[in-house]
Amino acid sequence: GAGVSQSPSNKVTEKGKDVELRCDPISGHTALYWYRQSLGQGLEFLIYFQGNSAPDKSGLPSDRFSAERTGGSVSTLTIQRTQQEDSAVYLCATQTSGAFLNEQFFGPGTRLTVL
Amino acid sequence: AQSVTQLDSQVPVFEEAPVELRCNYSSSVSVYLFWYVQYPNQGLQLLLKYLSGSTLVESINGFEAEFNKSQTSFHLRKPSVHISDTAEYFCAVTAGTSYGKLTFGQGTILTVHP
Repeated sequence: GAGVSQSPSNKVTEKGKDVELRCDPISGHTALYWYRQSLGQGLEFLIYFQGNSAPDKSGLPSDRFSAERTGGSVSTLTIQRTQQEDSAVYLCATQTSGAFLNEQFFGPGTRLTVL
Repeated sequence: AQSVTQLDSQVPVFEEAPVELRCNYSSSVSVYLFWYVQYPNQGLQLLLKYLSGSTLVESINGFEAEFNKSQTSFHLRKPSVHISDTAEYFCAVTAGTSYGKLTFGQGTILTVHP
């Protein structure tokens, strides 16, 4: 497809379970961001990938959160031992290389509900 | 670090009325400013941005925003809104370091009534 895709679109899980969220970027976009959109917190940055460089993980809220990007393309965000406060919409955005002030293209998000 | 404040969480207006969505930012360094829009059941998309040059920037659908450095503001305006402008609007900044990590405001829900 032409845009950023994310899966699943919705995920309901029980407290304490692990979840994995997937992001498929626009072809050729080497920069990839994860953000979280939650009630009362707005949109907050989680992690950034650029090519083969070490990611910027400064926004990850705890060590239960991790992310990887395989082959510079697909990215997965993993949340271990989920807590109710992890409930949010997780957004992925990608951007062309070398143009950090250009538009970030956002996916539709994954709505995570932790019961 | 940067922060963004959107002063209104919800703005209801009637069709064809003017609207202003307010955005103020705080930063110790120069920033670049953006407005993103999220229409119902759609993803975030860029509406307009200020990088440099003229402080007044416009979008293709009639919105405009003016960068005011002295007031650290980047308010979004439209002289006459349509029903189709109903959406959530996010103001965002980046310090433009080596990459474009965005700091967002809380969002303003604009509801246009007939």
